[in-house]
Amino acid sequence: DAGVIQSPRHEVTEMGQEVTLRCKPISGHNSLFWYRQTMMRGLELLIYFNNNVPIDDSGMPEDRFSAKMPNASFSTLKIQPSEPRDSAVYFCASRTPGRANEQYFGPGTRLTVT
Amino acid sequence: QQQVKQSPQSLIVQKGGISIINCAYENTAFDYFPWYQQFPGKGPALLIAIRPDVSEKKEGRFTISFNKSAKQFSLHIMDSQPGDSATYFCAARGYGGSQGNLIFGKGTKLSVKP
Repeated sequence: DAGVIQSPRHEVTEMGQEVTLRCKPISGHNSLFWYRQTMMRGLELLIYFNNNVPIDDSGMPEDRFSAKMPNASFSTLKIQPSEPRDSAVYFCASRTPGRANEQYFGPGTRLTVT
Repeated sequence: QQQVKQSPQSLIVQKGGISIINCAYENTAFDYFPWYQQFPGKGPALLIAIRPDVSEKKEGRFTISFNKSAKQFSLHIMDSQPGDSATYFCAARGYGGSQGNLIFGKGTKLSVKP
């Protein structure tokens, strides 16, 4: 199993540009999570999906952030327009169905907005 | 209350020693308590997890101790090794409106000196 796949691994962009982060969850997992990690705030949940449906997006910082999951094998997190304070590592995780509830994280995308 | 409070923020242990990381929570609805291990440049990886119907779970050198009445749980790493040097996160999950959502502690950076 390839695990959770994220792309790109690193992204450097200028303030005001649109950024799209991509995630492919583990096959068979029915939940997908987007997290943001910074030194100051630690690991924050942005949004999560169950069966491709957004369940809780209360962690999305503002309207500049949007996430989609068009099918069970793909999700995107978009920031438009990007700002320097969005610089962080963004993780995608997927979860096993049932009571086991184990989340598996991808390698992350390190975003730098200049 | 949705917080999970983790301490210490950083920890230095000699090789062969015992590393202890503590977490406390307030929401009695939490029903699953995992610990994640994160190496630099990698995503968090599930290390060990416990449910509140047991007071202790051991996997190799890693043990979770759980005190339901005190709403505290801790990770013990026996015979700590330099390869254990990483950041450790405790987490808690609750049912209800946030089913499947993990609340993470701020993390503990562990350094094991040879």
